[in-house]
Amino acid sequence: QKEVEQDPGPLSVPEGAIVSLNCTYSNSAFQYFMWYRQYSRKGPELLMYTYSSGNKEDGRFTAQVDKSSKYISLFIRDSQPSDSATYLCAMSADSRGVSNFGNEKLTFGTGTRLTIIP
Amino acid sequence: DVKVTQSSRYLVKRTGEKVFLECVQDMDHENMFWYRQDPGLGLRLIYFSYDVKMKEKGDIPEGYSVSREKKERFSLILESASTNQTSMYLCASSDRPRHNEQFFGPGTRLTVL
Repeated sequence: QKEVEQDPGPLSVPEGAIVSLNCTYSNSAFQYFMWYRQYSRKGPELLMYTYSSGNKEDGRFTAQVDKSSKYISLFIRDSQPSDSATYLCAMSADSRGVSNFGNEKLTFGTGTRLTIIP
Repeated sequence: DVKVTQSSRYLVKRTGEKVFLECVQDMDHENMFWYRQDPGLGLRLIYFSYDVKMKEKGDIPEGYSVSREKKERFSLILESASTNQTSMYLCASSDRPRHNEQFFGPGTRLTVL
């Protein structure tokens, strides 16, 4: 079983719809949760960054973390064609005090390809 | 803005060739990373470096080596390229205090024939 599971899609929704993207994970040590957006033939870019449980909102994007269920979500409101991309979740543990460098590693989901239809 | 650049966007090499992939970042970041990205497998960490001349193995280091002689530059070396190393290679960097916020380069699409 992979440490991080993400539905690869593809997911197609009409413009203006609310999009929900999700990841589940098995490692209870994960404390930091990220969402990256990757356009075709480009490198991933950091979209959202959260620590521990809770919600974080940035414009049309909301990231949710439910550590009790080991489940994270990214919601996109009023979706636009420019949101068409692959979305990758990523997470890491917090091992400060154990190792200075162990928590540098991110574990990524495989990515969900999203298409917003005009 | 953080800028991470990679030496080539596309590269075609022959089996057995030695291949160098270069990465440069301009934000004085301590940490640098090399990943490969394959369909259905996502991003997998090959090597990372947290300081000049320091390196740590990632999840799939076999067949690769790295070099970090200067803080801004991190090189990935394929000692003897093989067809199963055909992939997208991504370099990333991050600052020590916010090490989880990794900034990626545009990637190098390597094809080994």
